[in-house]
Amino acid sequence: SQQGEEDPQALSIQEGENATMNCSYKTSINNLQWYRQNSGRGLVHLILIRSNEREKHSGRLRVTLDTSKKSSSLLITASRAADTASYFCATGSEYGNKLVFGAGTILRVKS
Amino acid sequence: GAVVSQHPSRVICKSGTSVKIECRSLDFQATTMFWYRQFPKQSLMLMATSNEGSKATYEQGVEKDKFLINHASLTLSTLTVTSAHPEDSSFYICSARPWRNINEQFFGPGTRLTVL
Repeated sequence: SQQGEEDPQALSIQEGENATMNCSYKTSINNLQWYRQNSGRGLVHLILIRSNEREKHSGRLRVTLDTSKKSSSLLITASRAADTASYFCATGSEYGNKLVFGAGTILRVKS
Repeated sequence: GAVVSQHPSRVICKSGTSVKIECRSLDFQATTMFWYRQFPKQSLMLMATSNEGSKATYEQGVEKDKFLINHASLTLSTLTVTSAHPEDSSFYICSARPWRNINEQFFGPGTRLTVL
């Protein structure tokens, strides 16, 4: 079952602007991961943040995790047209390694 | 490293036929592989978890007799859609988890199944 909800569902920005996507979940987690999917393709892993971490950076990506609010955000700075894709959060549980995916955010970066 | 392949990438078949999709981890051993289904503009839904040498664990609502999963080796899992119908048309994606790190999954490029 899907436990993650993401907002916005769709986001359209100009190249160079920052894009922020949010993800909420319902149960306790071991980690939360963000993935990118280009249209009709597989998923590319972006970043993993563990439940005991609050913030993580990777290049132009910044992820935050607030376990008290059961939410995470993905910030893409200085966006590029190539960042146009769907972005999904996925949670990994304490007791297993299934990933439960959020609904996703469709990001469009206009050049 | 950590490449997962799927074959075929695209398949069109007639209603009633069976289709087999292969998922291979090319440069690592995967004790566990996962099969997901994704409908257009929707998220990934986990169908089943496949462990090497044992029966797959299916998610609620997924018919195990319709979606046969075999994980015969540490680098290969197959999903067979039996007696496919148009409603089975979807994008099927597998992922593989290396035995060293249960938090990592590497995804295949997906298989687009169209049932006429």
